[in-house]
Amino acid sequence: AQSVTQLDSQVPVFEEAPVELRCNYSSSVSVYLFWYVQYPNQGLQLLLKYLSGSTLVKGINGFEAEFNKSQTSFHLRKPSVHISDTAEYFCAVSGDSSYKLIFGSGTRLLVRP
Amino acid sequence: DSGVTQTPKHLITATGQRVTLRCSPRSGDLSVYWYQQSLDQGLQFLIQYYNGEERAKGNILERFSAQQFPDLHSELNLSSLELGDSALYFCASSVEGRANTEAFFGQGTRLTVV
Repeated sequence: AQSVTQLDSQVPVFEEAPVELRCNYSSSVSVYLFWYVQYPNQGLQLLLKYLSGSTLVKGINGFEAEFNKSQTSFHLRKPSVHISDTAEYFCAVSGDSSYKLIFGSGTRLLVRP
Repeated sequence: DSGVTQTPKHLITATGQRVTLRCSPRSGDLSVYWYQQSLDQGLQFLIQYYNGEERAKGNILERFSAQQFPDLHSELNLSSLELGDSALYFCASSVEGRANTEAFFGQGTRLTVV
């Protein structure tokens, strides 16, 4: 069975500071990994995904993530955050024959001026 | 705008009632997925359809059912509603139904059961 753990429920950070949102997964099969962002009263938007190949994945809005198979992690990073990055971030994994995303519990990123 | 349309955006109903949530996928997408987002359970996969046929089932209650029609739109039916069914219900669609295919999410239907 697959599962995702997001270690931090909330991460406060000052504007223009770097941020890392942590995600660990468990799976007995090859995985595909995703980060989604949810702005208030909005649906989920894909930030980036790891399917195969380079372990460093770049996404939209300046975010990137690194797939680490030995540590079963897929942490999300941004070198300098903006107020507009305040949102809920979800890590997700899939790997079945169907597109069944297993989501983590989410991390609320709170960017302060 | 993801191209996935969900209606209604908000729904308030009483316990014991039945409601239908509707989803129109992006043009060209054959697969539709339903997810439930609640405070205590987080984001949970409910069910997936591909080109009209059920492909995968998650933690969907027996009181809930779904279908995908020939025009590829989908409906999620929730019956005998309980207070605990209050949640945000998302629909997502993708071109294919495979794990490495990006899914696009609608803005959700917020269901409040009173």
